[in-house]
Amino acid sequence: NAGVTQTPKFRILKIGQSMTLQCTQDMNHNYMYWYRQDPGMGLKLIYYSVGAGITDKGEVPNGYNVSRSTTEDFPLRLELAAPSQTSVYFCASRPVANSNQPQHFGDGTRLSIL
Amino acid sequence: AQSVTQPDIHITVSEGASLELRCNYSYGATPYLFWYVQSPGQGLQLLLKYFSGDTLVQGIKGFEAEFKRSQSSFNLRKPSVHWSDAAEYFCAVGAGGTYKYIFGTGTRLKVLA
Repeated sequence: NAGVTQTPKFRILKIGQSMTLQCTQDMNHNYMYWYRQDPGMGLKLIYYSVGAGITDKGEVPNGYNVSRSTTEDFPLRLELAAPSQTSVYFCASRPVANSNQPQHFGDGTRLSIL
Repeated sequence: AQSVTQPDIHITVSEGASLELRCNYSYGATPYLFWYVQSPGQGLQLLLKYFSGDTLVQGIKGFEAEFKRSQSSFNLRKPSVHWSDAAEYFCAVGAGGTYKYIFGTGTRLKVLA
């Protein structure tokens, strides 16, 4: 089982560049999430989606965009990279509506912006 | 507002010693509670979860956690720690009726040989 797959695993960007972090899941989960993880700060929710065509902002959406054209894919886009976006990014998915279902996480994308 | 607190940023224990990691939450109703573990360079793996019923839940890798409503706590325990348990541990709350989870800031566990 592949589960949640994130690409790339590592990336270095220059300030002002743009890029897309890819996330795909093969579990037919409706809900998908993007988090960023900074040292000592836990996980902060950037965006989430409850199904294809439906997305919404989390706690820290500024500087990011998302789309959800299919159930499987939930890419995260950085339009103008800034040093404050240096972080580890995690994608997660969850199967059903109730909060009692755990999230499944990818292995993360480590992004440095210089 | 819902919140999760993990009071210990770092914990160091000797291999073979017992372990307890603390988690306190703030939520108006019975929450759904989770513990995740993150090994270096990896994503988060679910250790165990609590929804209802028996307040002592068993998880993978020999971990257990106890839900105490009166103390708003969901502490993680292991009777004998192994060197491979060195990792970061996150407590999370799933609020009923919403799509989002709230994560604590994590506790980093170091195991001494």
